[in-house]
Amino acid sequence: QSVLTQPPSASGTPGQRVTISCSGSSSNIGSNYVYWYQQLPGTAPKLVIYRNNQRPSGVPDRFSGSKSGTSASLAISGLRSEDEADYYCAAWDDTLSGVVFGAGTELTVL
Amino acid sequence: QVQLVESGGGVVQPGGSLRLSCAASGFTFSNYGMHWVRQAPGKGLEWVAFIRYDGSNTYYVDSVKGRFTISRDNSKNTLYLQMNSLRAEDTAMYYCAKDRGVLGDFDYWGQGTLVTVSS
Repeated sequence: QSVLTQPPSASGTPGQRVTISCSGSSSNIGSNYVYWYQQLPGTAPKLVIYRNNQRPSGVPDRFSGSKSGTSASLAISGLRSEDEADYYCAAWDDTLSGVVFGAGTELTVL
Repeated sequence: QVQLVESGGGVVQPGGSLRLSCAASGFTFSNYGMHWVRQAPGKGLEWVAFIRYDGSNTYYVDSVKGRFTISRDNSKNTLYLQMNSLRAEDTAMYYCAKDRGVLGDFDYWGQGTLVTVSS
């Protein structure tokens, strides 16, 4: 059972906007930055959002992140087939003294 | 460009040991903290361990404390994970990841090395 809670699946059609939620607690999301990772099938994870809402260079501006209290979300607008992947949220946990991940959300582009 | 190349995975019997390595290039290795993250077959990501840029401090997930040791050799630009008393539940792809400077901020990942614990 993961410390951060994500929906197991999400879906949308090309061009749509989808959001993926991530719920935590005061010891992780509530007091630390949130990160989002994209994992395409058979590949290593890739950072798509850092420090709650910052995009690394090369990540399309269709990807955005937000955080409020002990929850965060990843939004993908103008959905494309290449966005089909697993998405994980992560944060440092002050109580556990470690990084915690959500269980991942499988995004399907219909 | 930043490259992280893991090696050392393989098949090992329960109770056995294995040492993973991660060769880093394309950045000043001695300036950055490093992590190991694993992923069991068909499962999600699990953070395993972290070591500060100078090796002065380490953190571990509870399930590996006392069995795994993370270390680094800054003169060789290499990160290590010594894994002892291996269990079936340690079977996973093991990734090394570079920390940007804030814990949890993994800006580069290796391609992973597979560890299988089985009799």
